Parts: sequence; structure tokens; C-alpha cells
Amino acid sequence: EVQLVESGGGLVKPGGSLRLSCAASGFTLSGYSMNWVRQAPGKGLEWVSSISGGSTYIHYADSVKGRFTIFRDNAENSLYLQMNSLRAEDTAVYYCARGTATMTNNCFDPWGQGILVTVSS
Amino acid sequence: DIQMTQSPSSLSASVGDRVTITCRASQTINSYLNWYQQKPGRAPKLLISVASSLQSGVPLRFSGSGSGTDFTLTISSLQPEDFATYYCQQSNSPPYTFGQGTKVEIK
Repeated sequence: EVQLVESGGGLVKPGGSLRLSCAASGFTLSGYSMNWVRQAPGKGLEWVSSISGGSTYIHYADSVKGRFTIFRDNAENSLYLQMNSLRAEDTAVYYCARGTATMTNNCFDPWGQGILVTVSS
Repeated sequence: DIQMTQSPSSLSASVGDRVTITCRASQTINSYLNWYQQKPGRAPKLLISVASSLQSGVPLRFSGSGSGTDFTLTISSLQPEDFATYYCQQSNSPPYTFGQGTKVEIK
């Protein structure tokens, strides 16, 4: 069974840092692009970042560019999101989601259960 | 960046109704349009990819159509388990933007 499990969320002060992890199982991580999507409380879905299977191609939303870094360790079957200079508006549930092999038609399936990040003093 | 506009933002419908949700892209995205269903407190689930390709296990009452800039998600006969929020997403090029969502509620 394909499964994604996020961890590393929690409460952090504005300006602080946090690293999210996503543990993948049931498939060969290196064969797929991976993605982070977030959802602020009561709001819609916002794409955050994508990384290709071999880490050659990386993309960020403008809202996080320069503050967040996506990376992966295929040998450890893990995806990460390093979040620096956090702001109140980064408060959201963060989901990791598997993409496609080539990032062409990069649809997201499946998704992890999500992890809450709260940025507040 | 490509903007995705869904309509309506919400709708009320009864079990058995035919429901249609539309999604418009600000520029052509070919057929790179996906539909997701999200229930409260749950992660989104991919229903349809590439505009009309139904994912394995998704009931046949769901269908998608369109190309270019205009797309439609149709539920042919609404069932109790279909009450949820639906999102479109373009996967033509990053940023992979989502529509604002359509909440389907019980009438």
C-alpha cells in the first residue's frame, strides 16, 4: 500500500524555523516527483513546492520562495521541507503528495494525512 | 501565473441531483486539469486527471470534460457520500495552482 506520513509540525514563533518530513512507503520514491501543498485554517488548497525524482527540477510558490527549501533523500524514502523566516500567514496544515514520474501533468496522488504548522507568538 | 476560477463557490443539492462544477483557466492548459475531493478533516483525494481520466476506484457517476481553458466536473446522481469540497488544479506548468473550491452541501 502506498503511504505518506508527515511529521515535524508544531508551534513556532514568527521568524523561527521548522523542518517537515514525509516518510514514503509502498513505492520507489526515486521514480516520482514529490510535492508540498498547504491549507490555511478554513481556506482552500495552496501549492507550495515540487521536486523531481532526481532533484534536478525544483519549483516554489512565490509566497515561500527564498524562505522554504524542498529536498529529498531517496535512499531514506523521505521528503523534506525546511521552513525558515516563518510568518503568521504560513500557519496551515501541510500535506505531502506524490506527483508523477516526469512532472508532466503533475497531479497529486496520494496525499499524506497532513501536519499542522502554527506560527504564533 | 495561471489563475484557476471555479464556479459556483458553493451549491446546495439533493441526493439524486445532477451536479456540475466548472473551472476556467486564465490561459490554455491543454488537458492538464485535475479534480480533487476533500471531506472535512481529511486529505484531498484525486478523482480525475488529465481532464477526463477517472481514477481507479472512483464511482462512474463522476465525470470530467473540457480542454484548453474551460473544464467541467459532473456528478450524475449525487450520493450522500459526495457532499464535500471539490477543487480543480492545473498541472500544465508550475505554479500548480488550485481553484478556490466548490462546497457541495445538502439541500
